[in-house]
This record gives sequence, structure tokens and C-alpha cells, in this order.
Amino acid sequence: ETGVTQSPTHLIKTRGQQVTLRCSSQSGHNTVSWYQQALGQGPQFIFQYYREEENGRGNFPPRFSGLQFPNYSSELNVNALELDDSALYLCASSAPGLDSQETQYFGPGTRLLVL
Amino acid sequence: RKEVEQDPGPFNVPEGATVAFNCTYSNSASQSFFWYRQDCRKEPKLLMSVYSSGNEDGRFTAQLNRASQYISLLIRDSKLSDSATYLCVVNNFNKFYFGSGTKLNVKP
Repeated sequence: ETGVTQSPTHLIKTRGQQVTLRCSSQSGHNTVSWYQQALGQGPQFIFQYYREEENGRGNFPPRFSGLQFPNYSSELNVNALELDDSALYLCASSAPGLDSQETQYFGPGTRLLVL
Repeated sequence: RKEVEQDPGPFNVPEGATVAFNCTYSNSASQSFFWYRQDCRKEPKLLMSVYSSGNEDGRFTAQLNRASQYISLLIRDSKLSDSATYLCVVNNFNKFYFGSGTKLNVKP
């Protein structure tokens, strides 16, 4: 077990709704990254938070937003849900080292289905 | 062009076989590299980091060729439990790019 937890495990929403997914990072990790994984694809990087600030973003529209809290837990918010947002959402925590070999540890994910 | 490309497979091999996966990346400034393993309907788990000098962990050997921008993973003496999808990961300045994965099926 990595010590990274996510909630909820499964979620069903309808088009146009909003969703908030949550992640608790591994103890000692100050960085959280979020990914979207569609069926049969590799995870796609959404964004990363480091010490409560966004620290890198992939090619996702602004309706994907996030927060990181002082305890380093994080939220992913998605507004105006679309059918294509149905996917496994993964959170990964890490603690960047001096040599930049940043290893990420993943939580079990949240499966989102948009109807 | 995708940031990271992998052969999707599947690679179907018998137990005890040696199998190799390759992965290419597009950004020559990429900083760090990893192989992850993902079992069906589970989260990715770190298999190993990949260093310029190459590195080995038991039956697994990873190599990085910066000049050609490819990363390889060699699995020796395949076990049934090695059946999974293997994901190549590249870090470009705090943006992590995953390949779509290579599926390995090890058969008795």
C-alpha cells in the first residue's frame, strides 16, 4: 500500500453537473499530481500541486481545477461534465528530491461515469 | 506527435522467456524516466526508475538512451505474475507523460 487514499471510489454524474474528487497524500509528501485515465489508455497528466500552488498543467481545459490544502491533501474539481470525462481519476503524491528523480505513488483512483 | 510512445502489444510469452519493451519520447530536455506496472483495474505501481547508466533490479533491467530518446525494459525469466500492462513515464519539468502501455501476457 502506498498510503495515498482517494474518495469516493466510484461516482455517477450526469452531463453538465460538477464533481469534486479528493486525495490524501502519503505522509511526508508535499506534492500531488492528478491524472485522467480513459479505458485502454495511459494516464493523462492534468496538473500538479506543490505547497498549495499549481506547479505544472497538462492539456486540460479550465473547467478542470484543483486545490491543495496546508496538510497537502488535494481536490480535483470538474465543472460542466461531459460524457468524455468518464474515466479513472488517479492522484499521485511525491516528495521531490534534490536530484529530480521524483517518484510518484498512486492512490487507487476514483471511477467517474458521466451519463 | 505524442510525448511518449509505446508498442501496445500484447506480448504473449511462455514462462521463463525473456521479453523486452521499448518506449520513445519526443522532448530531448526530459529530466527523469520511469517504468510503472499496472494490473487490470488497479492503480499504476512504480517498477523502477531509469538512470542514464542503466539499472537492474532482480530480473528487471532498464536502459536509457538519451541520444536516441528511447527507454527500454528487459524482463528475464518471466513469471505468470509478470502479466500486466507496463507504462513508460517521462518527466518534463514537473509534467509527467505516460505512454499508453504495453500489455504482457505470460502463459504457462
